[in-house]
Amino acid sequence: TQLLEQSPQFLSIQEGENLTVYCNSSSVFSSLQWYRQEPGEGPVLLVTVVTGGEVKKLKRLTFQFGDARKDSSLHITAAQPGDTGLYLCAGRDSGTYKYIFGTGTRLKVLA
Amino acid sequence: GAGVSQSPSNKVTEKGKDVELRCDPISGHTALYWYRQSLGQGLEFLIYFQGNSAPDKSGLPSDRFSAERTGGSVSTLTIQRTQQEDSAVYLCASSLQGPNTEAFFGQGTRLTVV
Repeated sequence: TQLLEQSPQFLSIQEGENLTVYCNSSSVFSSLQWYRQEPGEGPVLLVTVVTGGEVKKLKRLTFQFGDARKDSSLHITAAQPGDTGLYLCAGRDSGTYKYIFGTGTRLKVLA
Repeated sequence: GAGVSQSPSNKVTEKGKDVELRCDPISGHTALYWYRQSLGQGLEFLIYFQGNSAPDKSGLPSDRFSAERTGGSVSTLTIQRTQQEDSAVYLCASSLQGPNTEAFFGQGTRLTVV
């Protein structure tokens, strides 16, 4: 069974602080996506990483895919209250193309 | 359509009743997924369609759950004899086929069984 574990599960920080969210698995994925979900909404795609070791930047967000394509991290610089939400990683199974979702990290940024 | 559309957005039903949840994927997306999300939790995979066939229905929690997709487009998730533990947000997503494509989600249907 493929599992994606995210850590931390909950994170409450002050505006301006930096943070890193981790997504780990024992399985290899063909690609990995990060989503953010706000209350009452479906998850919204932030980024897709495909190549082992790949780093992508989206304004204050930096995403990294592990060399072995089993893990990923999301780093937010100078967090803002608008970053508040549930962050989900999802791995694409290379055989079935099914998306396996992580357990989620609930982030709250206090003004 | 422009995005994935789900209906209804909210559904309250009595225990024991059947419910149908609908998903309209993005036009041209051959892959369609159903997930379930309990309050504040991650996403639990239910079923995956490629075209009209379901190569992976391993996540359906019991035989009370079924899903179909017609014309390679609209999908319906049916829950028979609903139970209180079925209360959750049911999310639908669609994507193009291929290993590195991206899934786009609808806003979900919040199901409450009373």
